[in-house]
Amino acid sequence: NAGVMQNPRHLVRRRGQEARLRCSPMKGHSHVYWYRQLPEEGLKFMVYLQKENIIDESGMPKERFSAEFPKEGPSILRIQQVVRGDSAAYFCASSSSGTENTEAFFGQGTRLTVV
Amino acid sequence: GESVGLHLPTLSVQEGDNSIINCAYSNSASDYFIWYKQESGKGPQFIIDIRSNMDKRQGQRVTVLLNKTVKHLSLQIAATQPGDSAVYFCAETGGGGADGLTFGKGTHLIIQP
Repeated sequence: NAGVMQNPRHLVRRRGQEARLRCSPMKGHSHVYWYRQLPEEGLKFMVYLQKENIIDESGMPKERFSAEFPKEGPSILRIQQVVRGDSAAYFCASSSSGTENTEAFFGQGTRLTVV
Repeated sequence: GESVGLHLPTLSVQEGDNSIINCAYSNSASDYFIWYKQESGKGPQFIIDIRSNMDKRQGQRVTVLLNKTVKHLSLQIAATQPGDSAVYFCAETGGGGADGLTFGKGTHLIIQP
């Protein structure tokens, strides 16, 4: 049973370009969470999705950021018109239900560098 | 060795010693707490969790203590090994806020040979 798979592991984008980060949850998991981690800091919650639905996006910036988790395929975190401040590690976690009840498993992250 | 996770980012202990990593949380309504270990360049790895109806839980070489009165969480690692070197984060949820986990800033545990 493969773990949470994120790709790419490293992504370099120039300012103004778009970044697409992909997350395939563990088999059987229908809950996906995205987090952002700046250097030397803890993870910050961004968005929580279930299949085809955004449940909670309270941690996601209102502009330029969007997330989806289609019926088929991985969850996508999309950042439009990237700026240097978007440089961070983005982690995806999945669980079989909400995190209050079950353990969430994390992927290895995508390290985004904006140049 | 002992540290307050949010105020002392680095804890150095001798191999074989016990270590205690502390964490203070702010949301008194949180009811589920987790300790994660994060090695350099990797994602957080679940260590142990505890629910608010408990004050202690033990795993293999690790113990989590929860003091809801002072909103304090600690992780005890017995007989530390070189592989324990990592950053340790406490996380909480269930307080009625965002559905995701709220992470502390982390403590970097260094195991000295």
